[in-house]
Amino acid sequence: QKEVEQNSGPLSVPEGAIASLNCTYSDRGSQSFFWYRQYSGKSPELIMFIYSNGDKEDGRFTAQLNKASQYVSLLIRDSQPSDSATYLCAVMNPPSNTGKLIFGQGTTLQVKP
Amino acid sequence: DVKVTQSSRYLVKRTGEKVFLECVQDMDHENMFWYRQDPGLGLRLIYFSYDVKMKEKGDIPEGYSVSREKKERFSLILESASTNQTSMYLCASSPIAGKYNEQFFGPGTRLTVL
Repeated sequence: QKEVEQNSGPLSVPEGAIASLNCTYSDRGSQSFFWYRQYSGKSPELIMFIYSNGDKEDGRFTAQLNKASQYVSLLIRDSQPSDSATYLCAVMNPPSNTGKLIFGQGTTLQVKP
Repeated sequence: DVKVTQSSRYLVKRTGEKVFLECVQDMDHENMFWYRQDPGLGLRLIYFSYDVKMKEKGDIPEGYSVSREKKERFSLILESASTNQTSMYLCASSPIAGKYNEQFFGPGTRLTVL
């Protein structure tokens, strides 16, 4: 079992719809969770991080964390063609002083006009 | 703004050559990382460093070594390049900030080994 799992997609949604991206992780001790966006040919950039159970909202993006079920999700409301990218889920396990993250393989999102 | 720079955007080398990839960050971050990214395999950690002269193996260290003589610079060395090391190489850095350690990525180096 992979430590961090994502459906590779592609996930295709129409413009204006809600895109839902999911990630599961295997280590119950995982303490922080990150969502990165990576455009084709570019490097990953951080969208959001979350460390407490529940929802965290930032503009059109909402991260949801459920530690009991060991999953974290990213919702993108009012999806735009410019949201088309690969979304990487990353998890930090203790000890945290090294800053090491474990990345999932990423989900490719396609937003169709 | 945090800036992570990598020495080359594109690099072409021949089998058996020694290859140096350099990464520099300007935000006084303690932690630095080298990844390679291949289609279908995602980001794989090669080596990381949490302090000057300190290094730890990641998931795929074979065929690579690293050097961190100064805090801002982290070098990845391919001792004898092979065709299976053709890949996108990404450097990242992060501060020591407990569980909020965001990693900042450089632009990447696309290495082709012929």
